[in-house]
Amino acid sequence: GQSLEQPSEVTAVEGAIVQINCTYQTSGFYGLSWYQQHDGGAPTFLSYNGLDGLEETGRFSSFLSRSDSYGYLLLQELQMKDSASYFCASYGQNFVFGPGTRLSVLP
Amino acid sequence: DAGITQSPRHKVTETGTPVTLRCHQTENHRYMYWYRQDPGHGLRLIHYSYGVKDTDKGEVSDGYSVSRSKTEDFLLTLESATSSQTSVYFCAISDTDGSQPQHFGDGTRLSIL
Repeated sequence: GQSLEQPSEVTAVEGAIVQINCTYQTSGFYGLSWYQQHDGGAPTFLSYNGLDGLEETGRFSSFLSRSDSYGYLLLQELQMKDSASYFCASYGQNFVFGPGTRLSVLP
Repeated sequence: DAGITQSPRHKVTETGTPVTLRCHQTENHRYMYWYRQDPGHGLRLIHYSYGVKDTDKGEVSDGYSVSRSKTEDFLLTLESATSSQTSVYFCAISDTDGSQPQHFGDGTRLSIL
C-alpha cells in the first residue's frame, strides 16, 4: 500500500523560510512530487525528486531521502501569494497524494 | 497552460441518476487520470488510462467506470450516483508516467442530493 503524512497547517511571515515535511510509505517507490493548490484552483506541479538530494527551482527547493522515506519542500523569501495548500505525492505501484499542508503567509 | 478542458464545471443531480464527466485534452499526452478531492483527503486517484482503451483502477474506483475511445477524451461515469460521491473531480494528463508532472484541469464540482 501507499500512504503519506504531512502537517495539516503551517504559518509563517512574509520574507521568511518555511519547510513542509512529508513522510511516505510507498510500495515500489520511484519518486516524490510536490504540487501547489490555491483555494478554488487546480493543483500545479512544483518539483520532482527521483534521487536523494536537493532540487532547486527558484525560491522553491525539494529534498528527498529514500533511506528515511522522507522529503520536504522548502520555500524561501515567502510572499503573500504563496498562501496555498501544498501536497506531496509519491509514485510507486500507484500515484498517491498526501492530505496536504495549508500554508498561511502573514504580512 | 496545458490544454485540458473538463465538462461540466458544475453539476447538481439526484441520488440514483447516472452522471458522466468529460475530460478533453489537446496535448496528445498518453496518460490521463481522474481524481476526486475531499476535505482532509487530498486528491485520491479513481482511475487512470495509459492509452486508448487501456485503463486501470486507482485507490477509490468503486462506483466509478471510465472509458477512453480516443487519445483526447477520458470519460468518468457514475452509474448510479450516491451522496458519498459529492466531491470535486479533477482530470490530469501526463506525457509519461510517474516522474513527469501531471497537468490538471480546472475541476468539476459535483453535488449529489
